Formats: sequence, C-alpha cells, structure tokens
Amino acid sequence: DGGITQSPKYLFRKEGQNVTLSCEQNLNHDAMYWYRQDPGQGLRLIYYSQIVNDFQKGDIAEGYSVSREKKESFPLTVTSAQKNPTAFYLCASSIGTHNEQFFGPGTRLTVL
Amino acid sequence: GENVEQHPSTLSVQEGDSAVIKCTYSDSASNYFPWYKQELGKRPQLIIDIRSNVGEKKDQRIAVTLNKTAKHFSLHITETQPEDSAVYFCAAIPYNNNDMRFGAGTRLTVKP
Repeated sequence: DGGITQSPKYLFRKEGQNVTLSCEQNLNHDAMYWYRQDPGQGLRLIYYSQIVNDFQKGDIAEGYSVSREKKESFPLTVTSAQKNPTAFYLCASSIGTHNEQFFGPGTRLTVL
Repeated sequence: GENVEQHPSTLSVQEGDSAVIKCTYSDSASNYFPWYKQELGKRPQLIIDIRSNVGEKKDQRIAVTLNKTAKHFSLHITETQPEDSAVYFCAAIPYNNNDMRFGAGTRLTVKP
C-alpha cells in the first residue's frame, strides 16, 4: 500500500472556507488524479495531471483547483464555490493514463 | 465522453458460488478496462485488467471477458470466499482520451 499518501485523513471545514488536501507519491509516476467518491456514485474525476505544470479538468472540476509544481505532489484545493464538498476524496497516480492507478488512503472532508 | 454502466449494484452469493458483474461502455474507442476492489474503509486496488486486443484474461479465481462488438465486459469470480466481500468498480478509457470513467460500483457480499 505504500508509495502514495494523502493527508489529513479527516478534515472538517466551516462553510465559506477553502481547504487544501495533500497528495504525495514516491512511485516516480507521471500521471496523478483526484477523485471524489460519494455513496452509490462510484469514482468521479475532478482533475488529472499527465506531467508537471500541466493539468486537465475532469467531470466535476467546478469549485476545485489543483497545482502540479513537482512530480511527487498534486494538492487539491476545495474552494468555497464548491456547493456540496462533503465527500471522500481519493488521489491516485499511474505511470501513464492507460495503466493501473494506485490510490492513496483518502481524505474524508466534512463541511460543518 | 465515455459512459460506463455497471450492474448489479448489489450482489449476494453463498460461499463457493460464482459471482458475475457486468459493465457496458459507450465509446467504441475505449481500449483499457480495469477492475478495482475496494474493501470497507480501504483504498481501491486493481484486481485485473484487460486491453482491447484480447477477449479474455484469467488470474486464478478471477477472470474478465470483453465483447467489443457489444461494448460490454464482465468480471467473473469463481469459488467465492468471504474475503471477496467488497465493492467492485469497473472502468474504461478511450485510446484517444486520458479521462478514465468508472462504473457506480457493485457491493458483493459472500455469505459463509
């Protein structure tokens, strides 16, 4: 299970606040992803990055932002513009976009 | 974009029986089809994958079949065991796109 980590495990946020979720990998993977997991809806792609300094929007990018300044790191910011941010967030990485994705342990965000 | 549908949403089998989960996809350009298993409270992990140049792949008690004409693929688990109980996700990604789409998941329960 090692190689890709997320922090924190649990995060509580007040409405109107931005929060940043951390994702780090030491697998030397080029591609990294952020997914949102809600009950009964599978995994929905928020953003992905194929290479440093480049990222693309997924299906549900509104209200989220990312950066990819280093190969190892792909932080996700949940902004106050995200209408329903309470969810389980999973980060993943892969050698390439058409290869196995390795997932982090996830961050559960709750908006109070 | 790609759309993946997964059935059934829940499946309960007796230990030792077989389990089959089916997925359909919409984009004929899809060429990579992974299956992930997510145990309760854990991260998704790849259990098997198949590429469009083969019709079937087997790994011990797990097999995946792909029908490109009908645009569907299935996961087969034989001789199920209680530790197979988990949520299973299928996914598909077109060769000309970097956006992997996941099915909504199937909760498999294996009763001892």
